[in-house]
Amino acid sequence: GQNIDQPTEMTATEGAIVQINCTYQTSGFNGLFWYQQHAGEAPTFLSYNVLDGLEEKGRFSSFLSRSKGYSYLLLKELQMKDSASYLCAVRPYGQNFVFGPGTRLSVLP
Amino acid sequence: EPEVTQTPSHQVTQMGQEVILRCVPISNHLYFYWYRQILGQKVEFLVSFYNNEISEKSEIFDDQFSVERPDGSNFTLKIRSTKLEDSAMYFCASGTTSASTDTQYFGPGTRLTVL
Repeated sequence: GQNIDQPTEMTATEGAIVQINCTYQTSGFNGLFWYQQHAGEAPTFLSYNVLDGLEEKGRFSSFLSRSKGYSYLLLKELQMKDSASYLCAVRPYGQNFVFGPGTRLSVLP
Repeated sequence: EPEVTQTPSHQVTQMGQEVILRCVPISNHLYFYWYRQILGQKVEFLVSFYNNEISEKSEIFDDQFSVERPDGSNFTLKIRSTKLEDSAMYFCASGTTSASTDTQYFGPGTRLTVL
C-alpha cells in the first residue's frame, strides 16, 4: 500500500523561504508530484521528480530522495498569493495518483 | 492555454436522486480521470478512462457510479442514487498519456451537496 505524510499546517512571512516536507511509504513509483490547491479550487501542477535531486522551477523547487522516502517543496520569496494547500502525490507503478493530505500554508505580511 | 472545464460548478440534490457531472477534457488528451475531495480531506482517485472504457477504478467507485464519453468532447460521471456521504468536490482531470511521469490537468471541480 501507499502512505503519504505531510505537516498539516505551516505559517511563514512574506518574502521568506519555506520548505514543505513529504514522507512516503510505497512499494515503488515512477514520479513524485507537487500540486498547489487554493481553497475551493482545483489542484494545479507545480513540479515533479523522477530522479533523486533538486528540480528548480522559478520560485519553486522540489527535491526527492528515494532512499530516504522523502521529498520537499521549497518556496522562495513568498508572496501572499502563495497561501494555499500543497499536495504531495505519487504515481505507484501501474496505478493512478495517490495524494497526501496536503499542507496548508499561510503567508503573513 | 487549454484547460479542463466542468459543469455545473455547484450541484445540490436530494438523497436518492441521480446526478450527472460533466467535464470537457483538454482536446488532445486521451486519458480521463475523476477524483473526489470530501471537505477537509485529501484528494481521492475514483476512476480512469481510456479508449472508451474504464482502465482502473478505486474501491470508492462502486456500482452507484458510472462514467461515459457520450461524444467526442464530453466525459461524464453519473451517481445513480446519491447518498449523504457523496457530498464532496468532484474533479475531472485529463492527460496525454498514462505514463507515471505524465502529469494530469485538473478541472475547477463540481461541488456536490446531497441533502
